[in-house]
Amino acid sequence: DAGVIQSPRHEVTEMGQEVTLRCKPISGHDYLFWYRQTMMRGLELLIYFNNNVPIDDSGMPEDRFSAKMPNASFSTLKIQPSEPRDSAVYFCASTATPEGRSPLHFGNGTRLTVT
Amino acid sequence: AQSVAQPEDQVNVAEGNPLTVKCTYSVSGNPYLFWYVQYPNRGLQFLLKYITGDNLVKGSYGFEAEFNKSQTSFHLKKPSALVSDSALYFCAVRETSGGSYIPTFGRGTSLIVHP
Repeated sequence: DAGVIQSPRHEVTEMGQEVTLRCKPISGHDYLFWYRQTMMRGLELLIYFNNNVPIDDSGMPEDRFSAKMPNASFSTLKIQPSEPRDSAVYFCASTATPEGRSPLHFGNGTRLTVT
Repeated sequence: AQSVAQPEDQVNVAEGNPLTVKCTYSVSGNPYLFWYVQYPNRGLQFLLKYITGDNLVKGSYGFEAEFNKSQTSFHLKKPSALVSDSALYFCAVRETSGGSYIPTFGRGTSLIVHP
């Protein structure tokens, strides 16, 4: 099992540019989460999906952020336009059990720097 | 509502000494409790969980945690610390019934083990 795969590992972009982060969850996992980690705010949940359907996007900071899950093996988080305050590490995580007994499996993250 | 607190931002311990990383939680009913570890430039990795049963839970890398319902705590422990245990540790909680599926994470505790 390759685990949760995120790409790219690092992204450096200029303010105003569009950024797309990608995630491949573990096969068979039907829950997918997007988190953002910063020193100031810690680990923040942005959005999560169940069976490819967005369930709760209340953590998405603003309309510049959007997430999709077109199929069970792929999800994207898009920022358009990007701003310097979006600089953070973005994590994708997946899990299988709806009752909450199973832990989340995290990818190694995408470190985003917006200049 | 569910919440979790990690009262220490940083814990320092000498190699070979026992270590404790504290976690307290608040839920309406019964909790599922988890500990994760994050090494530099990596995602969170699952260490151990309490679901039900024995209050002392053993996990990866020699770590264990004790569930104390009366004190609403789930402290992480290890009898003899290693320098390689230096990392960021997160406690997470989810209520066993009702509410949202989303686990709540603490802000993390940085463990530094000195040679």
